[in-house]
Amino acid sequence: EVHLVESGGGLVQPGRSLRLSCAASGFTFDDYAMDWVRQAPGKGLEWVSGISWNSLSREYADSVKGRFTISRDNAKNSLYLQMDSLRADDTALYYCTRVFGGSHFDYWGQGTLVAVSS
Amino acid sequence: EIVLTQSPGTLSLSPGERATLSCKASQSISSFYLAWYQQKPGQAPRLLISGASSRATGIPDRFSGSGSGTDFTLTISNLEPEDFAVYYCQQYGRARFSFGPGTKVEIK
Repeated sequence: EVHLVESGGGLVQPGRSLRLSCAASGFTFDDYAMDWVRQAPGKGLEWVSGISWNSLSREYADSVKGRFTISRDNAKNSLYLQMDSLRADDTALYYCTRVFGGSHFDYWGQGTLVAVSS
Repeated sequence: EIVLTQSPGTLSLSPGERATLSCKASQSISSFYLAWYQQKPGQAPRLLISGASSRATGIPDRFSGSGSGTDFTLTISNLEPEDFAVYYCQQYGRARFSFGPGTKVEIK
């Protein structure tokens, strides 16, 4: 059974950094691209970033480009999101997702909450 | 950037009724890259439909997807109490994913 478990969220001041992690199990991790999707409180879904199976391709939403860095460690079956220069509008529940066929997200974690506030 | 618009914003229906949800893209997209998700309060989204019309594993056949080009539809043929939720469409194009703003299906 596929499991995606996020961690690393918390309360952080504006301008500071946070690193999210996602532990994957139940599938061959390096067969899949992985992405982060976030959801601000009471709002809709926003795609944040994605990484190919071999880390050669990394993409970012315009809202986070230059501030966030996605990475993965296939040996550890783990996905990461380094978030720098955090802003109040980065406050959201961050979901780790598995990408299927380059077209959609077939599995989602339960999310980790990031709150940016002074 | 491809923008998805969903309508209506809220749909008020009774159990047993038919729900028709619309998703319109700002430019034509391949049906292969159109998906639908269901999200209930306090839960992560769940994949319902991929490739515009293929139900995901375990999704009941009362859920169906259709459409092409810029106009896509999710139909729930006979609403069950557990179907009242928010539904999002999603597309992939030009190395970017994007979601529609969602349609809330609420109990009338």
